[in-house]
Amino acid sequence: AQTVTQSQPEMSVQEAETVTLSCTYDTSESDYYLFWYKQPPSRQMILVIRQEAYKQQNATENRFSVNFQKAAKSFSLKISDSQLGDAAMYFCAYRSVNNNDMRFGAGTRLTVKP
Amino acid sequence: NAGVTQTPKFRVLKTGQSMTLLCAQDMNHEYMYWYRQDPGMGLRLIHYSVGEGTTAKGEVPDGYNVSRLKKQNFLLGLESAAPSQTSVYFCASTERGGLYEQYFGPGTRLTVT
Repeated sequence: AQTVTQSQPEMSVQEAETVTLSCTYDTSESDYYLFWYKQPPSRQMILVIRQEAYKQQNATENRFSVNFQKAAKSFSLKISDSQLGDAAMYFCAYRSVNNNDMRFGAGTRLTVKP
Repeated sequence: NAGVTQTPKFRVLKTGQSMTLLCAQDMNHEYMYWYRQDPGMGLRLIHYSVGEGTTAKGEVPDGYNVSRLKKQNFLLGLESAAPSQTSVYFCASTERGGLYEQYFGPGTRLTVT
């Protein structure tokens, strides 16, 4: 079964600076989908960014970008120009192509300091 | 559109009691998922469904049952609640698999005493 590991339980960043959240995963599949979700204190899960494994180009959504290293099974999230509203739990997730099973990492709590 | 709704929002059960959590979506999505969220463990998939009348086991299915009799509803049942099932439960739906976004409900906080 696939597993997703987020090795940083907590991270902090100064407002306007850049932070990178790490995610690694274990799989034997050659194609799959990767996601980053954000969970603010409201508890509502929000999609941040997504990437298909067979696409080499890293996904970008405004201030959010990923560094996808397929061989290393790594999918890190970079947040540029951090804002106070970025403070939240961030979850990395893996979706299987074969059965649509979804696996999430344990999460990284991001604090943004003014 | 209401999106994904969950009923109830909070519930306290005694050990051994049973209950059903209801998830409803009005987006005509094919796929629906039930997760539990525990501190330090992220979201863990309990069961999911890729269409009306279908269900599949996820990562932590033991102690739970599900049914998808109507496309818009996905029910999660606890037949004999245990304290280990104290958690926040999230339902999600997505149009299909692949890169399609999952839309999450607001969660149900369940406490089993």
